[in-house]
Amino acid sequence: EVQLVESGGGLVQPGGSLRLSCAASGFTFSTYWMSWVRQAPGKGLEWVANIKEDSSEIYYVDSVKGRFTISRDNAKNSLFLQMNSLRAEDTAVYYCAREGTVSTGGFDPWGQGTLVTVSS
Amino acid sequence: SYELTQPPSVSVSPGQTARITCSGDAMPTHFSYWYQQKPGQAPVLLIYKDTERPSGIPERFSGSSSGTTVTLTISGVQAEDEADYYCQSSDTLWVFGGGTKLTVL
Repeated sequence: EVQLVESGGGLVQPGGSLRLSCAASGFTFSTYWMSWVRQAPGKGLEWVANIKEDSSEIYYVDSVKGRFTISRDNAKNSLFLQMNSLRAEDTAVYYCAREGTVSTGGFDPWGQGTLVTVSS
Repeated sequence: SYELTQPPSVSVSPGQTARITCSGDAMPTHFSYWYQQKPGQAPVLLIYKDTERPSGIPERFSGSSSGTTVTLTISGVQAEDEADYYCQSSDTLWVFGGGTKLTVL
């Protein structure tokens, strides 16, 4: 079964840091682009960042550039999101998702999400 | 930055057809994708590459594209289809529409 499981969320003060992890199983992790997507409470989906199979290409939404870093460890089938200088507006459920191939496309599957709350 | 526009809400009676639109300037040159999200759950991919349906997705869900607008059509709506629906596409980066809440009356 293809599965993604996020961890690392929690309560952090403004200006603080947090590192999210996403453990992948059931597929060849090293052959897929991966993304992080977040959803603020009661709001819509926002794509955050993605990373190519070999980490040679990385992209971010403007609002997190310079503060968040996406990375992966293909040997450990894991995706990460290092979040620094956190702000109240970063409060959200963070999902990791597998991107589709050239012949398919779309984000499938998604993890169950991990909640990040930025508050003093 | 690139934006995708969806109606905030759509209402339909059971058994009727629901249509949810998504507009974006880059739609003619970039594929679109649709997701269903029920409360407390992660999104699920419904449609990929404008019109294709992943295995396991009921046939009543279909996608179409015309110019700068793509449409998710749900034929014979069922009570279980009540959910939020999001379109997704790209310009240079991935972007999601604001979401549409489907209410089954």
